[in-house]
Amino acid sequence: SQTIHQWPATLVQPVGSPLSLECTVEGTSNPNLYWYRQAAGRGLQLLFYSVGIGQISSEVPQNLSASRPQDRQFILSSKKLLLSDSGFYLCAWSVQWLNSYNEQFFGPGTRLTVL
Amino acid sequence: GEDVEQSLFLSVREGDSSVINCTYTDSSSTYLYWYKQEPGAGLQLLTYIFSNMDMKQDQRLTVLLNKKDKHLSLRIADTQTGDSAIYFCAERRSLRGGATNKLIFGTGTLLAVQP
Repeated sequence: SQTIHQWPATLVQPVGSPLSLECTVEGTSNPNLYWYRQAAGRGLQLLFYSVGIGQISSEVPQNLSASRPQDRQFILSSKKLLLSDSGFYLCAWSVQWLNSYNEQFFGPGTRLTVL
Repeated sequence: GEDVEQSLFLSVREGDSSVINCTYTDSSSTYLYWYKQEPGAGLQLLTYIFSNMDMKQDQRLTVLLNKKDKHLSLRIADTQTGDSAIYFCAERRSLRGGATNKLIFGTGTLLAVQP
């Protein structure tokens, strides 16, 4: 069966510090991968998606970047965190081909607080 | 805009029915989803409906879709304390020439079930 892991689960970082959040998927090959952010009182916003190794698309301009160094590894990074980067970050995956309803499967999330 | 609207909070008594409402934006969305988020956890797909359907029933869950008004609702029959969570509706849009999909999420409705 497929599983998706995210770490760390929680993170408190000072403004201006770097960030690296990691997401890995097991039990599937060549998945589509996604990074979402859930800010307080807001819905989930898609930040990045990837349809293959080294292929990253950004949905919104921001202080963050993403990388996919391996097929089932997706990393969210920042060189210098801002207060507005605080939120709950969720990684998700879906199968590469479009089946009927193309479910996205979510990881447990990372809660980031920038002070 | 891209906003998917939901009311923020709903409180019901155990055993009653809950109805969570959602207004989406894109009349061409092919699939609409309901996700559940328990405290501190990722999102879990509860159910979905294809856009050519008006209603879908799945055990205690009933989804109603009004395409004319772009209105989606989730009814939970015989609500239990274990149903307490945040419920997100989402609409699906294609990305990158159809290679993958983007989910536009609502702000989420916090369902509180009183014993």
